[in-house]
Amino acid sequence: EVKLVESGGGLVQPGGSLKLSCAASGFSFSGSAMHWVRQASGKGLEWVGRIRNKANTYATAYAASVKGRFTLSRDDSKNTAFLQMNSLKTEDTAVYYCAPERDDGSGYFDYWGQGTLVTVSS
Amino acid sequence: QLVLTQSPSASASLGASVKLTCTLSSGHSTYAIAWHQQQPEKGPRYLMKLNSDGSHSRGDGIPDRFSGSSSGAERYLTISSLQSDDEADYYCQTWGTDIRVFGGGTKLTVL
Repeated sequence: EVKLVESGGGLVQPGGSLKLSCAASGFSFSGSAMHWVRQASGKGLEWVGRIRNKANTYATAYAASVKGRFTLSRDDSKNTAFLQMNSLKTEDTAVYYCAPERDDGSGYFDYWGQGTLVTVSS
Repeated sequence: QLVLTQSPSASASLGASVKLTCTLSSGHSTYAIAWHQQQPEKGPRYLMKLNSDGSHSRGDGIPDRFSGSSSGAERYLTISSLQSDDEADYYCQTWGTDIRVFGGGTKLTVL
């Protein structure tokens, strides 16, 4: 059974930092690309970024709205992906989901986590 | 620019069928998409991948009441024999090099 558990969300002040984790099981984590997607309250889904697998040199890509502030990483030995968020803004407030692209390069996510809430507020 | 357009809302009666539409931007009519469902207060769930020729592959455990089809730049999700728990937001999603794009979502109300 595929399982994705996000953690690390919470309340942070504008300008602050937070690091999210996504613990994965039930599929070949090391072979997958891992994505993060966010959803502000009452809004739609917004792609945040992606880190590819080792065969694709762990290449990263980011949405324009977070580029230069957010950093993706992964630890294949622990089946865990990370999202480091710096210089946080109030508009970064959202539920953050991780989602694997199990066939790296296929383009779509066939499983989703349950999300972790990040609130950026003073 | 790669953009997906969805109607904000749709409605249909219990037991009936409904067809949701996702439109790809100009120049991207051959792109495949994926459909995702998000029930109230839950995380999204993958429904299927839909190719430009209308072929589709459903996710694990997705019933065949959910089907996909394509015509030109339009991608469709048809849900038959509507049930109350089909009431949800439905998002289409596509991809390019180093980018993933979501449509704005369609809120489906089951009457």
